[in-house]
Amino acid sequence: QSALTQPASVSGSPGQSITISCTGTSTDVGAYDFVSWYQQHPGKAPKLMIYAVSDRPSGVSNRFSGSKSGNTASLTISGLQAEDEADYYCSSYTSSTTVLFGGGTKLTVL
Amino acid sequence: QVHLQQWGAGLLKTSETLSLTCAVYIGSFSGYYWSWIRQPPGKGLEWLGKINHSGSVNYNPSLKGRVTISVDTSKNQFSLKLNSVTAADTAVYYCARLSGPGTYYFDYWGQGSRVTVSS
Repeated sequence: QSALTQPASVSGSPGQSITISCTGTSTDVGAYDFVSWYQQHPGKAPKLMIYAVSDRPSGVSNRFSGSKSGNTASLTISGLQAEDEADYYCSSYTSSTTVLFGGGTKLTVL
Repeated sequence: QVHLQQWGAGLLKTSETLSLTCAVYIGSFSGYYWSWIRQPPGKGLEWLGKINHSGSVNYNPSLKGRVTISVDTSKNQFSLKLNSVTAADTAVYYCARLSGPGTYYFDYWGQGSRVTVSS
């Protein structure tokens, strides 16, 4: 099974909005609303930011939002802050009852 | 608040077996899946497999039968074994709770265990 496809890097200035895409297939992202997003700072474990495509866990800023269209899911971060600079990974359940991650996107806040 | 604490050998030689254990503190052990995920240096996350409290498992097919995940419900622990390791298995290994059927997201993670395979 191939990893979900994410851009290697994105960047934005403080206050701006950015969107990270996550493209899969009709057997994973397109098949279920089981897409989640994780933020990872260097040397730290990943942190859940979005689950079930667009739901936010308690304590996660509402600047983070998720959506999905067809086989592509997206994570949008609005009002960029310096602390948002991190790696972001998407994940999806698959029809093979396995879990796939995206290759990761490095977000740089300029 | 659920807490996952993991441990295991950090330095292995080629062809040896990697062995890690993750203990779950506070919270229910049943009703969830428990997973292992790894991250090679400078690379992305790779899901290795999942197990539930009754021992039902699913593995990443890319590991070609080298991986075994087991559970000890009496201790609220689950374990990973990966045999015939090579340098490509060098990574930080994480244990994580995978929310139950119908949701499928990793909400709690262990601290990570750095495993290095050398010849």
